[in-house]
Amino acid sequence: SQTIHQWPATLVQPVGSPLSLECTVEGTSNPNLYWYRQAAGRGLQLLFYSVGIGQISSEVPQNLSASRPQDRQFILSSKKLLLSDSGFYLCAWSPQLGYNEKLFFGSGTQLSVL
Amino acid sequence: AQKITQTQPGMFVQEKEAVTLDCTYDTSDPSYGLFWYKQPSSGEMIFLIYQGSYDQQNATEGRYSLNFQKARKSANLVISASQLGDSAMYFCAMTLAGGFKTIFGAGTRLFVKA
Repeated sequence: SQTIHQWPATLVQPVGSPLSLECTVEGTSNPNLYWYRQAAGRGLQLLFYSVGIGQISSEVPQNLSASRPQDRQFILSSKKLLLSDSGFYLCAWSPQLGYNEKLFFGSGTQLSVL
Repeated sequence: AQKITQTQPGMFVQEKEAVTLDCTYDTSDPSYGLFWYKQPSSGEMIFLIYQGSYDQQNATEGRYSLNFQKARKSANLVISASQLGDSAMYFCAMTLAGGFKTIFGAGTRLFVKA
């Protein structure tokens, strides 16, 4: 069966420090991968998605970047964190693209930038 | 523009009773999928139910059913026989044809009372 791993679970970082969040999927190949951010008490905002190695699409211009160095690995990065980067970050995957494809989510990373 | 609206920030329901969580959507695309996800306090998003825009019958998954009214652009979630474990945030979401972007509503927090 397929599983998705996301770490770390919580992270406290000072403003201006770098960031690296990692997500890996097991048990499937060529998944579509997504990074979402959830502000406190709000819905999810799509940040990046990827349909293959090295293929990254950005939905929202911001201080973050994403990379997909391997088929089942998705990394969210920042060179210098801002206070506004605080939030709950969720990685997700889907087997195919399509409006009937549900998303499978990781357990999330709570990022606090101080 | 595509949009999901959940107008109930919080809802209370007595254990063993049914509850309806409202969701309206806006799109001019004829092909789309509607989803409900549950987010417990642990943070992970759990898929509950799916309804396709061309589906003639309302979707059901165990105690969950989706009341799909296409002309009114509503996709309400009905939870029957509420349980204490149903206390969580519930998100309505929509994916359009092309399938790479899922839009989420702001969510409804459900509290189940014993």
